[in-house]
Amino acid sequence: AQSVTQPDIHITVSEGASLELRCNYSYGATPYLFWYVQSPGQGLQLLLKYFSGDTLVQGIKGFEAEFKRSQSSFNLRKPSVHWSDAAEYFCAVGAYGGATNKLIFGTGTLLAVQP
Amino acid sequence: DAGVTQSPTHLIKTRGQQVTLRCSPKSGHDTVSWYQQALGQGPQFIFQYYEEEERQRGNFPDRFSGHQFPNYSSELNVNALLLGDSALYLCASSLRAAGVADTQYFGPGTRLTVL
Repeated sequence: AQSVTQPDIHITVSEGASLELRCNYSYGATPYLFWYVQSPGQGLQLLLKYFSGDTLVQGIKGFEAEFKRSQSSFNLRKPSVHWSDAAEYFCAVGAYGGATNKLIFGTGTLLAVQP
Repeated sequence: DAGVTQSPTHLIKTRGQQVTLRCSPKSGHDTVSWYQQALGQGPQFIFQYYEEEERQRGNFPDRFSGHQFPNYSSELNVNALLLGDSALYLCASSLRAAGVADTQYFGPGTRLTVL
């Protein structure tokens, strides 16, 4: 079955420190992978996506993610975290079935940033 | 460029009542998907509408139904509300012609509380 696992429920980092959020997926075919961010009381904002090609993808707000097929992972990284990055981060895989598609999300990682 | 909009922002209902949530897709998009996000969880796919028909459905009971209008806007209806229906309901829009490169853009959500 298709699934996404985000092993870290809650992460705290200091402002200026580097960040890596983990994501593992289970999907039988070529995965289409996404990272979304959700601020409190808000909807989901797309950070970046991977469809094919270069396994290192760049997104908005200085985020990047690396697709590793051998590890079934799509980890999100940022070299220097800002206080405004505090939010909940969701990894998702696109389950495409013919004419339709749906997103399967992980349970999210809540990021806190210490000054 | 108008993004995805949803109404109302918040809603309080009692058990057994019925509710209708509304969504207007991003300009140029023709496909609308609905997700339920319970507290502390990732979004769960409810169903998707394209060309005014339900195209794919997640694991939700028939109490959840929807509609898409000729202008691509959509409604989500939930009948016989249960306490467990309390959640943030997210609408996402996309462009069917994008195919496997389709990306879903989310609205701010409707917070439904069932008492």
